[in-house]
Amino acid sequence: NAGVTQTPKFQVLKTGQSMTLQCAQDMNHEYMSWYRQDPGMGLRLIHYSVGAGITDQGEVPNGYNVSRSTTEDFPLRLLSAAPSQTSVYFCASSRGGNTDTQYFGPGTRLTVL
Amino acid sequence: SQKIEQNSEALNIQEGKTATLTCNYTNYSPAYLQWYRQDPGRGPVFLLLIRENEKEKRKERLKVTFDTTLKQSLFHITASQPADSATYLCARLGSSNTGKLIFGQGTTLQVKP
Repeated sequence: NAGVTQTPKFQVLKTGQSMTLQCAQDMNHEYMSWYRQDPGMGLRLIHYSVGAGITDQGEVPNGYNVSRSTTEDFPLRLLSAAPSQTSVYFCASSRGGNTDTQYFGPGTRLTVL
Repeated sequence: SQKIEQNSEALNIQEGKTATLTCNYTNYSPAYLQWYRQDPGRGPVFLLLIRENEKEKRKERLKVTFDTTLKQSLFHITASQPADSATYLCARLGSSNTGKLIFGQGTTLQVKP
């Protein structure tokens, strides 16, 4: 199993550009999440999904869109990039349940100029 | 708000000593806490989970305690090694069955040979 994969590993955007961060998992997990990690802020939840066709907002959803058309994929879209979105983005998946353990991807380092 | 807090200052210890990291929570009584390890440039990796009715959990050189009176979890690494140097994250579920983890900001451990 590849686990959770993310592409690209690095990306530089100009303010106002749009892009999609890709995330895929091959563990047949129902739950998938996107986090961003900033120095001193820890991991903050952007959006999450409890299954195909179901998504909801996390703590910091503004400026991001998600969709979940398949169990395997959970892309994160930046509609109009801003310098405040410079961060490291992690995708995670899990089976769910009260004792849920999350499996994280390797991350995407995004810089917005 | 329901916060989960870790000491943001780095912890520096000598090889062979026991490292102790702290996770405090407020305004909430989590049913369990999770601990993750994160190496630079990589995603977090799950280490241990402890339930509120478990005072202590062990895995090899790792030990986690859960004190619901003090609202605190302690994470211990005995006989520490330079390879244990990493950032350690504490997390709890934001709400059940959603895969939404709320993370502390993490504590960086540096083990010197």
